[in-house]
Amino acid sequence: DTAVSQTPKYLVTQMGNDKSIKCEQNLGHDTMYWYKQDSKKFLKIMFSYNNKELIINETVPNRFSPKSPDKAHLNLHINSLELGDSAVYFCASSPLGGGNTEAFFGQGTRLTVV
Amino acid sequence: AQSVTQLDSQVPVFEEAPVELRCNYSSSVSVYLFWYVQYPNQGLQLLLKYLSGSTLVKGINGFEAEFNKSQTSFHLRKPSVHISDTAEYFCAVTSVYNQGGKLIFGQGTELSVKP
Repeated sequence: DTAVSQTPKYLVTQMGNDKSIKCEQNLGHDTMYWYKQDSKKFLKIMFSYNNKELIINETVPNRFSPKSPDKAHLNLHINSLELGDSAVYFCASSPLGGGNTEAFFGQGTRLTVV
Repeated sequence: AQSVTQLDSQVPVFEEAPVELRCNYSSSVSVYLFWYVQYPNQGLQLLLKYLSGSTLVKGINGFEAEFNKSQTSFHLRKPSVHISDTAEYFCAVTSVYNQGGKLIFGQGTELSVKP
């Protein structure tokens, strides 16, 4: 069973479109995250949710809107896609939002905006 | 705030040779330290972590790391690498004061093991 699963794995879309990436975890974790990995493989946190409540929003443009319908799901919706949004987006989860717990990552969604 | 510097962007090494991947961090508060590995087209997997106690931490796949507080370093080592260790390795830190579990990553080190 996949612990943290994201769909789709690959996403190619045109500038200006709106798209969503879905994430689900079956680990019973309370905290979920979205990270962005750019073309140089640099990873940076975007959002953190704890029990459906937004904890961290790292100055991400308003075009990015996370939605957590329940604590097992954290979806990412992106409006008016731009070329610079091309990246690999990783969903992750951890038991609690504490730093001493391991984060489990999904396989990533490679978003290409053309 | 915290920051992480991985001193080598690429490390080529021959199979069965030892390897060290270097990581330095900066923080005004105490931190927890992690090493993650990313195989091609996959997500990140935890190799090991330092929370407290012994400064020498052993992880999966024969890797170990040593926390050095005075040098603010957390270098990753393996005495004998395999072809299958070829991957991207990330050092990461987080504050012990629970900033929502946010991980700060280094830029990554690409380990390339050659036969």
